[in-house]
Amino acid sequence: QKEVEQNSGPLSVPEGAIASLNCTYSDRVSQSFFWYRQYSGKSPELIMSIYSNGDKEDGRFTAQLNKASQYVSLLIRDSQPSDSATYLCAVRGTGANNLFFGTGTRLTVIP
Amino acid sequence: DTGVSQNPRHKITKRGQNVTFRCDPISEHNRLYWYRQTLGQGPEFLTYFQNEAQLEKSRLLSDRFSAERPKGSFSTLEIQRTEQGDSAMYLCATDGSGGDGYTFGSGTRLTVV
Repeated sequence: QKEVEQNSGPLSVPEGAIASLNCTYSDRVSQSFFWYRQYSGKSPELIMSIYSNGDKEDGRFTAQLNKASQYVSLLIRDSQPSDSATYLCAVRGTGANNLFFGTGTRLTVIP
Repeated sequence: DTGVSQNPRHKITKRGQNVTFRCDPISEHNRLYWYRQTLGQGPEFLTYFQNEAQLEKSRLLSDRFSAERPKGSFSTLEIQRTEQGDSAMYLCATDGSGGDGYTFGSGTRLTVV
């Protein structure tokens, strides 16, 4: 079983809509969760981190964490064409410093 | 400029040759990681340094791979006797003791022909 699972997509949403990206993880005692954005041919860029159950908002981005369900999500409000990228979910394993990444969800925002 | 510098950006090599990549981290970050990413996949962990100590290695890091971080500053990743399956983007990332997520370098894209 993979450590971090994401729907590979592609996910297409119209400009101005809400994009919802989902991620599940296998290590029940993981404590740190991250969302990265990766444009084609570029390296990943950190956009959100979340450590506690509930929601964390930063501008148009909201990360949601439910440790009981081992589920992390990222909502992008008012989606823009510039949000078109692959979004990677990452989890810090128990007792480790390295992150485990999902395969990413490719998002396309249609103008 | 991400603050983490990787060189070269691209490397094309013939199968069987040795290659070496370099990563210069953000100066105040004491933790340095190497990842490999192939098309359509997320980054896969290879190895991790805290200062100059190599603390963890993935089983993906075969004996053809070696990494160093002398004096806890820049790091090098060497691949000996390259194989076509080694073709990938090699990413370096660093973070500080706060652990609030990595900063990635721009990566080195390796093509083995």
